[in-house]
Amino acid sequence: DQQVKQNSPSLSVQEGRISILNCDYTNSMFDYFLWYKKYPAEGPTFLISISSIKDKNEDGRFTVFLNKSAKHLSLHIVPSQPGDSAVYFCAALEYGNKLVFGAGTILRVKS
Amino acid sequence: DAGVTQSPTHLIKTRGQHVTLRCSPISGHKSVSWYQQVLGQGPQFIFQYYEKEERGRGNFPDRFSARQFPNYSSELNVNALLLGDSALYLCASSYGTVNTEAFFGQGTRLTVV
Repeated sequence: DQQVKQNSPSLSVQEGRISILNCDYTNSMFDYFLWYKKYPAEGPTFLISISSIKDKNEDGRFTVFLNKSAKHLSLHIVPSQPGDSAVYFCAALEYGNKLVFGAGTILRVKS
Repeated sequence: DAGVTQSPTHLIKTRGQHVTLRCSPISGHKSVSWYQQVLGQGPQFIFQYYEKEERGRGNFPDRFSARQFPNYSSELNVNALLLGDSALYLCASSYGTVNTEAFFGQGTRLTVV
């Protein structure tokens, strides 16, 4: 039973436009969420996180939004760049030490 | 500063064999977690070790075991390998037990034939 779901396997965006990656979760006990980016042949790289006491967190071109009532979060990348092309994983922290990952979304930014 | 290092990067094993994967965390980090990533899925939590003690275990059979050494490096052992154990095994390190910012290694690609 998947507790963290990324329902879009892939997303294609034009360079300079906004990329929006979505993530849903089912466990209401999750209180911390993270986004990771992964290039082929590399491990996941931490991008940005958000605590459940917030509804938004920004870091440069990356913004994460959290809607607790809908159990939904999204990652916005503005503007998108070709180097952003990668697999993006949404993850939730369970019991403080276990990351529960979604299946990932492949983002392709076209130049 | 070196990041999380894993060895080997690739290996091929036969069904029924045993394998040991190794991980060195970032200097100063005391926690190591192991994850399995099967093709097309997100990483799945296997174990967390902190100060040489197991602090968390995922839903994996007893064929999977791990340990952490005094220098905080870690080994993941898998016995009686099955074809389904073919995956990318990722190690993540963090300073404490709470993984609000875990740093991952590049992974070990295990192929069981």
